[in-house]
Amino acid sequence: QKEVEQNSGPLSVPEGAIASLNCTYSDRGSQSFFWYRQYSGKSPELIMSIYSNGDKEDGRFTAQLNKASQYVSLLIRDSQPSDSATYLCASSLTGFQKLVFGTGTRLLVSP
Amino acid sequence: DAGVIQSPRHEVTEMGQEVTLRCKPISGHNSLFWYRQTMMRGLELLIYFNNNVPIDDSGMPEDRFSAKMPNASFSTLKIQPSEPRDSAVYFCASSTSGSHNEQFFGPGTRLTVL
Repeated sequence: QKEVEQNSGPLSVPEGAIASLNCTYSDRGSQSFFWYRQYSGKSPELIMSIYSNGDKEDGRFTAQLNKASQYVSLLIRDSQPSDSATYLCASSLTGFQKLVFGTGTRLLVSP
Repeated sequence: DAGVIQSPRHEVTEMGQEVTLRCKPISGHNSLFWYRQTMMRGLELLIYFNNNVPIDDSGMPEDRFSAKMPNASFSTLKIQPSEPRDSAVYFCASSTSGSHNEQFFGPGTRLTVL
């Protein structure tokens, strides 16, 4: 069983809309959560990290964590075609540095 | 500031040849991670080091793979002998060893084994 699950997509949204990306995890010992953006042919780029329940906002991005329900989400407001990429969710257990990655959700933002 | 540096960026080799991938972590980062990414298996952790010491190599596929970190600013991942199924993109990432472990990735090495 994969420890971090994501819908592979593609998730298609029109320009200017809110894109909502979701991720669930199976290990309740997971402490830290990360969202990476990966453009085709490029390396993963860290865009958000979240460690506590609730919301964390950074510009057009909002990460949401609900430990009781074991899910993490990433909202992208005012989506732009340049946001089209694969978004990887990752988690790590308390006291461990090892990240477990989901398989990623492909986001397509159409003009 | 320089990010993680990897070389070569592309490597094409023939089956049976030795391949060495190189990584320079971000200055001041004391943890280094080697990943492999394929379409079929996604992003997989191969091995990671803390303060130049290998901590977890459970992701290394088999004995053909080996990794070293002789000092804080350099690591190698070696495949000997290489096989076509080793074709993938290999990423190196680094982080500080703080509790929240934000990892930053290098540009990757695209390996093709013919």
